[in-house]
Amino acid sequence: GNSVTQMEGPVTLSEEAFLTINCTYTATGYPSLFWYVQYPGEGLQLLLKATKADDKGSNKGFEATYRKETTSFHLEKGSVQVSDSAVYFCALSEGGGSQGNLIFGKGTKLSVKP
Amino acid sequence: GAGVSQSPSNKVTEKGKDVELRCDPISGHTALYWYRQSLGQGLEFLIYFQGNSAPDKSGLPSDRFSAERTGGSVSTLTIQRTQQEDSAVYLCASSLARTEAFFGQGTRLTVV
Repeated sequence: GNSVTQMEGPVTLSEEAFLTINCTYTATGYPSLFWYVQYPGEGLQLLLKATKADDKGSNKGFEATYRKETTSFHLEKGSVQVSDSAVYFCALSEGGGSQGNLIFGKGTKLSVKP
Repeated sequence: GAGVSQSPSNKVTEKGKDVELRCDPISGHTALYWYRQSLGQGLEFLIYFQGNSAPDKSGLPSDRFSAERTGGSVSTLTIQRTQQEDSAVYLCASSLARTEAFFGQGTRLTVV
């Protein structure tokens, strides 16, 4: 079945460091890929998405490129801030003519120190 | 409403009791999802409703769990004869077809 694997945390970085959170997936067909973020005490919210191969999703300085050849959707940010401290979830949605359910990775907790 | 609304926000129940968790999705959203987030765990898919199609119940952990969606809108997740391992945050989300899902704030369930 479909699945998402993301690097385990926690990840601790200093402010302005480069961030990479790895995410790989297994899916039949052509899923859409997402990164969701959960800030402390808040609900899940969409950070960025990509719906087809080679698409790049970007938001708030974060980027991720849909790589079909490596079945990956790694999250990157060039310079993290303390306010980026949160749990990040990679997810996929099955493709096709209707929305399939969202399958999530286990989440990666990021802590950014000043 | 403006977003996905879940109630109650917190629920403490005694082991063996039944509980009902409610989700009001964003108006017009055809898809509705229930997930469970346990401490230190990821998001566990429970059930998915899409329009008038039969729901995907493949994630429900046992027959003590059930959910319904009335009139294509409000959904209720019911847990019968609660156990301590049911303690978790239960998240509801809704979406239009092939678009992002919007999540509610969740219901924190504690079984004592």
